[in-house]
Amino acid sequence: QKEVEQDPGPLSVPEGAIVSLNCTYSNSAFQYFMWYRQYSRKGPELLMYTYSSGNKEDGRFTAQVDKSSKYISLFIRDSQPSDSATYLCAMSELSSYGKLTFGQGTILTVHP
Amino acid sequence: EAQVTQNPRYLITVTGKKLTVTCSQNMNHEYMSWYRQDPGLGLRQIYYSMNVEVTDKGDVPEGYKVSRKEKRNFPLILESPSPNQTSLYFCASSSIPGHLYGYTFGSGTRLTVV
Repeated sequence: QKEVEQDPGPLSVPEGAIVSLNCTYSNSAFQYFMWYRQYSRKGPELLMYTYSSGNKEDGRFTAQVDKSSKYISLFIRDSQPSDSATYLCAMSELSSYGKLTFGQGTILTVHP
Repeated sequence: EAQVTQNPRYLITVTGKKLTVTCSQNMNHEYMSWYRQDPGLGLRQIYYSMNVEVTDKGDVPEGYKVSRKEKRNFPLILESPSPNQTSLYFCASSSIPGHLYGYTFGSGTRLTVV
């Protein structure tokens, strides 16, 4: 079983829709949680990061962490065609010494 | 512009021919790391470095070497490449532990070993 599971999709939504992206994990020591966005032929770019449980909002993006369920989510409100990309969740332990564990990535397409 | 630069962007090579993928960052970051990305497997860490002359293995280090002689450079060396090392490679850096607050990634190197 992979430490981090992410539905690869693909996910296709109309412009303006609310998008929900999710990851589950098995390692209870994970404390730091991130979401990366990766456009085609580009490297991943950090979108959001959170520590432990709770919510964090940044513009149209909201990250949620539920450590009791080992479940994290990224919500995108009023989705735009420019949001079309692969979204990767990543997480780590405090003592990881630089190691991030990634999910497989979800391919999202927002069509006009 | 603050960035992580990898070269080459694309490389096709033959089995057993040594190659080096270069990585350079201009942000004075201590932490650097190499990842490979494969379909269905996501990004997996190959090696990481916390500072000059300090490197350690990640999850999939077999068949790879790294060195960190200068803060800005972190080359990835494949001494004897094999077809199972065909992949998309990313170099990343951060000023504080990247596993806590995230890395800045390069644009990737697509390697094909035939």
